Amino acid sequence: SQTIHQWPATLVQPVGSPLSLECTVEGTSNPNLYWYRQAAGRGLQLLFYSVGIGQISSEVPQNLSASRPQDRQFILSSKKLLLSDSGFYLCAWSPSRSYNSPLHFGNGTRLTVT
Amino acid sequence: GEDVEQSLFLSVREGDSSVINCTYTDSSSTYLYWYKQEPGAGLQLLTYIFSNMDMKQDQRLTVLLNKKDKHLSLRIADTQTGDSAIYFCAEGSGGYQKVTFGTGTKLQVIP
Repeated sequence: SQTIHQWPATLVQPVGSPLSLECTVEGTSNPNLYWYRQAAGRGLQLLFYSVGIGQISSEVPQNLSASRPQDRQFILSSKKLLLSDSGFYLCAWSPSRSYNSPLHFGNGTRLTVT
Repeated sequence: GEDVEQSLFLSVREGDSSVINCTYTDSSSTYLYWYKQEPGAGLQLLTYIFSNMDMKQDQRLTVLLNKKDKHLSLRIADTQTGDSAIYFCAEGSGGYQKVTFGTGTKLQVIP
C-alpha cells in the first residue's frame, strides 16, 4: 500500500532563516505531488505541484520554492522566512495519469516563524 | 476561478444525524470529495462522488449531489464524539488533479 511521510512535524524558525520541509511517498511510482498551506486552521491553498522529476508548477508567487530531486521526494524551501510564512504545510500525492483521482495527504508540518 | 463554499460551524448532539453542506461554482467539476481533518493532523479522504451520480452511501456516510444547483452534502448518521473534526468539501475539475477546497466546516458533537 502507499504511504506518505512528512517531516518535521513541528518547526519553529526565526525570521530570515532558511527552510527545508521534506515529503516522501512509498509504494507507488511517478506520483503527482503537491504542497498546500493551511492558514489559521482553515482553507487550503495550493502552493506547488509536480508531475515528474524536476517539473514544478507554482500556483502562487511567494517567498517559497519547491524541488523534486527524486521520483517520490518533494521538498519545500525558502532562503529567508517571513512571519507570514507561518502555517500548516501539507504534502499530498495522487496517482499519475489518472484524471481527478483523490489526493492523499501527509500529516503536515506546523511551521511557526518568530 | 473555481470557488467552494461551506458554513464554518455545525453543532449536533451525540446520536443525532449531521448534515454538512457545500456549494461549488465550477460546472465542469468531475469529482467531488469529502475530507476529514482532526486537530493537528492531515486531511483524511472520507468519500468521493462522480459528478454523474446523485447519491453515494458508505456505512454511516451518505453523500448527496445536486448537480443542477451545484450543491453537495455529507450526512453522518448516529454522530459520535469521534466525528468531531473539520470537514472539507473539494472539487476536481482541472488537469493534473487540481483540486479546490472549501474553507471547512467544524463539526462539534455534544455528548
